[in-house]
Amino acid sequence: GESVGLHLPTLSVQEGDNSIINCAYSNSASDYFIWYKQESGKGPQFIIDIRSNMDKRQGQRVTVLLNKTVKHLSLQIAATQPGDSAVYFCAENPGTYKYIFGTGTRLKVLA
Amino acid sequence: NAGVTQTPKFQVLKTGQSMTLQCAQDMNHEYMSWYRQDPGMGLRLIHYSVGAGITDQGEVPNGYNVSRSTTEDFPLRLLSAAPSQTSVYFCASSYSVTSRGTDTQYFGPGTRLTVL
Repeated sequence: GESVGLHLPTLSVQEGDNSIINCAYSNSASDYFIWYKQESGKGPQFIIDIRSNMDKRQGQRVTVLLNKTVKHLSLQIAATQPGDSAVYFCAENPGTYKYIFGTGTRLKVLA
Repeated sequence: NAGVTQTPKFQVLKTGQSMTLQCAQDMNHEYMSWYRQDPGMGLRLIHYSVGAGITDQGEVPNGYNVSRSTTEDFPLRLLSAAPSQTSVYFCASSYSVTSRGTDTQYFGPGTRLTVL
């Protein structure tokens, strides 16, 4: 719940604006990446994924960009809505059975 | 499909008590895993399983046991609870296991555990 979100960086955006959440991943061998959304008191929810042979992938209102050169991943949310308020974190699969998870960013949508 | 289910949602234990957190999935997923989530930290892998009868340790396995007697169930046992095990526990599963690991992991709703 709320205690999980303590000390997280926060991004505040106006409703209707676009949001960009960034993630630096750690392992250059990682070839599969996922963005998750976690609402207070709930489990992480899959949003979108991307494989390392792609630079960009689009879903419904969301786009993930991958820059392998600098090991950077970003999640873009178009026309941010109040229901988008949550903690977002990335996960990388370095080719083992052990995913590596980021600590997350809290997105606050201002009315 | 119910997806990944976990019970209980909340639990309070005293130091030294034991208990089992239940996890089940009805998607015929090969891979199942347990994570703990603590404030300011990313999800940390406790144990995982790549199929019935096969389990292995993750990043923080001490104090926890698992077994995988069926494809559907993956219980996590706390042998002698300690205050350091106060956390939110998530079970996750994914469909396939390959030479490059596993694919998308889907999470359960979590169990919030407090050890006094």
